[in-house]
Amino acid sequence: EIVLTQSPGTLSLSPGERATLSCRASQTISSSYLGWYQQKPGQAPRLLIYGASSRATGIPDRFSGSGSGTDFTLTISRLEPEDFAVYYCQQYGSSPYTFGQGTKLEIK
Amino acid sequence: EVQLVESGGGLVQPGGSLRLSCAGSGFTFSSYSMNWVRQAPGKGLEWVSYISGGSSSIYYADSVKGRFTVSRDNAKTSLYLQMDSLRAEDTAVYYCARGSGNGRNAFDIWGQGTTVTVSS
Repeated sequence: EIVLTQSPGTLSLSPGERATLSCRASQTISSSYLGWYQQKPGQAPRLLIYGASSRATGIPDRFSGSGSGTDFTLTISRLEPEDFAVYYCQQYGSSPYTFGQGTKLEIK
Repeated sequence: EVQLVESGGGLVQPGGSLRLSCAGSGFTFSSYSMNWVRQAPGKGLEWVSYISGGSSSIYYADSVKGRFTVSRDNAKTSLYLQMDSLRAEDTAVYYCARGSGNGRNAFDIWGQGTTVTVSS
């Protein structure tokens, strides 16, 4: 099983600032089968990034993904008020399709 | 509009059974893999099960293997999760989620979730 470790657990930033979220895998994720999701309270998760760096349909370009192998990053270039939420990375290259434990992005 | 709608959640006693359903609409259901993901109260996301478009490939998380069975009926554009021998730790919101293709794909469409509570 591939274990995904996200850091930090909580990130406190202000609107307009840049956010950098990390996801580290216990094994190489083949072909960059790595996605990022955003979840707000009481809502289902929403796909932001797939294939490590491709934005999903309708996702603003302030969201970007990078990385390969075992180290991946989600960057939000300039935070908007609606971006404060919990973010999860997920690998879907090999079963079980594991999620990281999440990073909570909160308003400072 | 592409949509997934779950149903079938509720309160069940430990050791009991429940069958969840997920109705898809607005897309060619058989062309997409489908998944179940759950979220225990106050916790993170846990992938539960995967089924390919034609049901030829099926995977489970170790935590549910041997107790849960995933299936789909493409003619009815529906996904199912039969849950047997339920435990307190199965208490969660259960989401169905579409793979963005058939095979290994990120989950691009999610339902609103259905709540399962296992308690005596």
